[in-house]
Amino acid sequence: NAGVTQTPKFQVLKTGQSMTLQCAQDMNHNSMYWYRQDPGMGLRLIYYSASEGTTDKGEVPNGYNVSRLNKREFSLRLESAAPSQTSVYFCASGAETGAIYEQYFGPGTRLTVT
Amino acid sequence: ILNVEQSPQSLHVQEGDSTNFTCSFPSSNFYALHWYRWETAKSPEALFVMTLNGDEKKKGRISATLNTKEGYSYLYIKGSQPEDSATYLCDISTGNQFYFGTGTSLTVIP
Repeated sequence: NAGVTQTPKFQVLKTGQSMTLQCAQDMNHNSMYWYRQDPGMGLRLIYYSASEGTTDKGEVPNGYNVSRLNKREFSLRLESAAPSQTSVYFCASGAETGAIYEQYFGPGTRLTVT
Repeated sequence: ILNVEQSPQSLHVQEGDSTNFTCSFPSSNFYALHWYRWETAKSPEALFVMTLNGDEKKKGRISATLNTKEGYSYLYIKGSQPEDSATYLCDISTGNQFYFGTGTSLTVIP
């Protein structure tokens, strides 16, 4: 049981390049999330998916797109990377335990845009 | 977007000291509160989930309390050890959405 996995762990891009961050979970959770973590800013929600086939914008969606390919996978795409997107990206999956939602995080992807 | 605040931003304590920090949130929008322990270069690890006013949770030397009426939670660490050094993060959830504070960075000096 791997939990939440993310690839790649590290990536360096040049301004204007595109890439897709991959996330997969094997816990059969309905909800999945993409966050970015910047110094002094905590975790900010980029997009989330409440269930397969649905996606919704979070606090900072500009410059990103997402795909909920199936229940297991939720990818984050940067179409034209900008230095402001240099950050650590965390994927999470969530499930209702009793009446409470809980999240489980992946190991993160450290992205640098030069 | 709900504003979740944590204080202090950072803290240095001597080994053996006890310490506590705060997570504040809008009391009118509350479903559940989570505390996480987040070590550098790792992902956040859940410590507690709390839902009811007056909740108290404990795991070893770490405990937490919740006051939903006034909108705050305290995390306590008794007898801090160097391995407690980490960022302690809280969030509140409203159903399946989560709103995070910026964390308290704790350094325990041997």
